[in-house]
Amino acid sequence: KAGVTQTPRYLIKTRGQQVTLSCSPISGHRSVSWYQQTPGQGLQFLFEYFSETQRNKGNFPGRFSGRQFSNSRSEMNVSTLELGDSALYLCASSLLAGVADTQYFGPGTRLTVL
Amino acid sequence: DAKTTQPNSMESNEEEPVHLPCNHSTISGTDYIHWYRQLPSQGPEYVIHGLTSNVNNRMASLAIAEDRKSSTLILHRATLRDAAVYYCILRVVTYSGAGSYQLTFGKGTKLSVIP
Repeated sequence: KAGVTQTPRYLIKTRGQQVTLSCSPISGHRSVSWYQQTPGQGLQFLFEYFSETQRNKGNFPGRFSGRQFSNSRSEMNVSTLELGDSALYLCASSLLAGVADTQYFGPGTRLTVL
Repeated sequence: DAKTTQPNSMESNEEEPVHLPCNHSTISGTDYIHWYRQLPSQGPEYVIHGLTSNVNNRMASLAIAEDRKSSTLILHRATLRDAAVYYCILRVVTYSGAGSYQLTFGKGTKLSVIP
């Protein structure tokens, strides 16, 4: 079974631009979560989607948004990029969304904002 | 949020057992204890999880204290491939709207394995 895939793997943008990152979960998984990882803040939760509905959102500004499609694929969008948005963006999928479910992470998208 | 406390770093010799401790004194009865690890330049990887009883899988063992206020991840024979940051995480159910099931990562323990 294929793992979680994220595209693109690397991205360079400039301040003020917007970016869309894509995540394809493991086949059959309905929950997709997004995380941001920076050296200073570590791994921080962005949002979680389950069956096309956003179930929870972390403490990030409204410039960060996401969506999930009917095939469970998910995208996240960051508008008006800032230098501080440079980070590794990780997507994780799980079969359901329970507290005992395992989350499977993708390799991440490395975003650099210049 | 329920918090966990882990040592910042630990060292182990190759092929020796490693015991990674985690304190979670504010754990409640419905919180699951999960362990993930992150190898360099990779996304986090699930290791093991448990609720009350000790758990074993092909990767590791999880020993949970009787009062559930602490747990220990046991790697039976450390290899160089086990060098990673290990995160102890409480999966907490919160009831705000549809519920919340995200992973809340702390700083983790950076494990170094010495050949």
